[in-house]
Amino acid sequence: GQNIDQPTEMTATEGAIVQINCTYQTSGFNGLFWYQQHAGEAPTFLSYNVLDGLEEKGRFSSFLSRSKGYSYLLLKELQMKDSASYLCAVTGGGNKLTFGTGTQLKVEL
Amino acid sequence: KAGVTQTPRYLIKTRGQQVTLSCSPISGHRSVSWYQQTPGQGLQFLFEYFSETQRNKGNFPGRFSGRQFSNSRSEMNVSTLELGDSALYLCASSLGEREKLFFGSGTQLSVL
Repeated sequence: GQNIDQPTEMTATEGAIVQINCTYQTSGFNGLFWYQQHAGEAPTFLSYNVLDGLEEKGRFSSFLSRSKGYSYLLLKELQMKDSASYLCAVTGGGNKLTFGTGTQLKVEL
Repeated sequence: KAGVTQTPRYLIKTRGQQVTLSCSPISGHRSVSWYQQTPGQGLQFLFEYFSETQRNKGNFPGRFSGRQFSNSRSEMNVSTLELGDSALYLCASSLGEREKLFFGSGTQLSVL
């Protein structure tokens, strides 16, 4: 089976940096996704990590350590519009994704 | 390019009824996946179809079924509805395996 853990809630200040952690235990691993979901909207793709290391994409970066079963999403220069739920998901094969319950990020002034 | 389209947007049903949800993927996408989202459980995988064949299945009872047509459009059916089936049902399409998923806005199902 697969188990994914991420914090339920986080609060950060506009302009700051925030790191959202995700740990996983899986019977098979092919990659890890991060999605963003605003309230009442569909999840949107942020990043996909297959190999160990850091992937940077603008203000967002994602890190993966396969040996530790650990990933994080780093958001820089936080903006109010970044207030959303951030979903970590692992894939063991095909397009069957196992999602964490999500981290609700609140960005304050 | 149009996104993933799901219909209807909202549905209200009573226990024991059955329901069919529809999903039109992005043009050219052959993989369609279905997920159930609830506040307590988060997103849970239901099943995935690729070229009209079910490729993966989650841990849901047989009351949940789906199919995919030759034009890649997909339907999901839930029979004998229970109160616990109340959820947001999300459809996602992708080009193939391990490609990013594009989600539709979902169908909000309420079972009374």
